[in-house]
Amino acid sequence: EAGVTQSPRYAVLQEGQAVSFWCDPISGHDTLYWYQQPRDQGPQLLVYFRDEAVIDNSQLPSDRFSAVRPKGTNSTLKIQSAKQGDTATYLCASSYPLGLGGASYEQYFGPGTRLTVL
Amino acid sequence: AQKVTQTQTSISVMEKTTVTMDCVYETQDSSYFLFWYKQTASGEIVFLIRQDSYKKENATVGHYSLNFQKPKSSIGLIITATQIEDSAVYFCAMREGPPNAYKVIFGKGTHLHVLP
Repeated sequence: EAGVTQSPRYAVLQEGQAVSFWCDPISGHDTLYWYQQPRDQGPQLLVYFRDEAVIDNSQLPSDRFSAVRPKGTNSTLKIQSAKQGDTATYLCASSYPLGLGGASYEQYFGPGTRLTVL
Repeated sequence: AQKVTQTQTSISVMEKTTVTMDCVYETQDSSYFLFWYKQTASGEIVFLIRQDSYKKENATVGHYSLNFQKPKSSIGLIITATQIEDSAVYFCAMREGPPNAYKVIFGKGTHLHVLP
């Protein structure tokens, strides 16, 4: 079974440039998450989807960030006009649907995209 | 609101000993799920073990086990017979029940150093 894939693995930008991150979750996983992980910190939830629907994007830092998952499979996270404070690793994770009675399943993480904004 | 706190920034232990990493959480839900993940030096994050709040028995997987103290909102990770390759950052995470069942938040992590 293929894992969660992300691209690119690295990105270096000047402030003001735009960047997009792409994620392909594990087949059958209806829930997809984007996290921001600054250096030496834990993953911080940005947005998550169930199928193509955004469940919660209230943690996106600003209007410069947007995320879509148009067909309920792959997803794209975009940063318009990047700032130095956006420097971090961006992680995508996916999980199976909740089980009977709300049983929960673990998340599977992709390798991340390490973004540096100069 | 959900909150997960890991107060230990870094722990060093000798190989083949037992280590416990602490995690406390805050939730208003009566049903929730607690997870521990490991992030290796390469950046890879892998799932280790899960505890469902309604279960009284502590979860155990291989040389990982949990110390779930529900009245204290505490979920400690215990690693027995530590190995050099256990050196990594360990994250505690929580998922609540409906309607926030899809939201998962993480603590800041504990860096474990296993010394030869």
